Amino acid sequence: DAMVIQNPRYQVTQFGKPVTLSCSQTLNHNVMYWYQQKSSQAPKLLFHYYDKDFNNEADTPDNFQSRRPNTSFCFLDIRSPGLGDTAMYLCATSRDDRGYTFGSGTRLTVV
Amino acid sequence: KQEVTQIPAALSVPEGENLVLNCSFTDSAIYNLQWFRQDPGKGLTSLLLIQSSQREQTSGRLNASLDKSSGRSTLYIAASQPGDSATYLCCGAGSYQLTFGKGTKLSVIP
Repeated sequence: DAMVIQNPRYQVTQFGKPVTLSCSQTLNHNVMYWYQQKSSQAPKLLFHYYDKDFNNEADTPDNFQSRRPNTSFCFLDIRSPGLGDTAMYLCATSRDDRGYTFGSGTRLTVV
Repeated sequence: KQEVTQIPAALSVPEGENLVLNCSFTDSAIYNLQWFRQDPGKGLTSLLLIQSSQREQTSGRLNASLDKSSGRSTLYIAASQPGDSATYLCCGAGSYQLTFGKGTKLSVIP
């Protein structure tokens, strides 16, 4: 089945230790997104790629970076995780702006 | 800036009841509206997508409507089941951004 796959499902990292989360898709969607969702809150958009064009949200901390080496893969890099970065990270895709498909998420815990 | 409001924040119903979840949005220039389901600690599962030119969509026991002029959408769940227990998120889409409501947490009691 076509889908959005996130790895790992769970990640524990130490304060300040860089971590990378991955997302892959078989939908051939041109847009990929990263959302951060903290406990009991709505997901918050960090950035998105329209094809190869990177679009950062104004309030996304510099500590968060992203790479999209090809259509299928997108990575979220957190350079120096803080305790406040503990959250669920959700990857989503869309064909232009027409409906979104989310992955199962990566639950990140910073200790 | 689009704002999405969901009422109620939480809802508890006995199994078998029909129920309606409400969503309102401030910007009628919405591109589409999408309803998601989220189980605890899990990702988002798309339930229904309504394009801006459409008024409703149906999937099984679920029916979602969209009234752009009044800025409202409803999600109707027929014959609720305990497996329907989850948080339901209403989302307005436009400019490559989803604006989420805070969700309605539904509990269906056996």
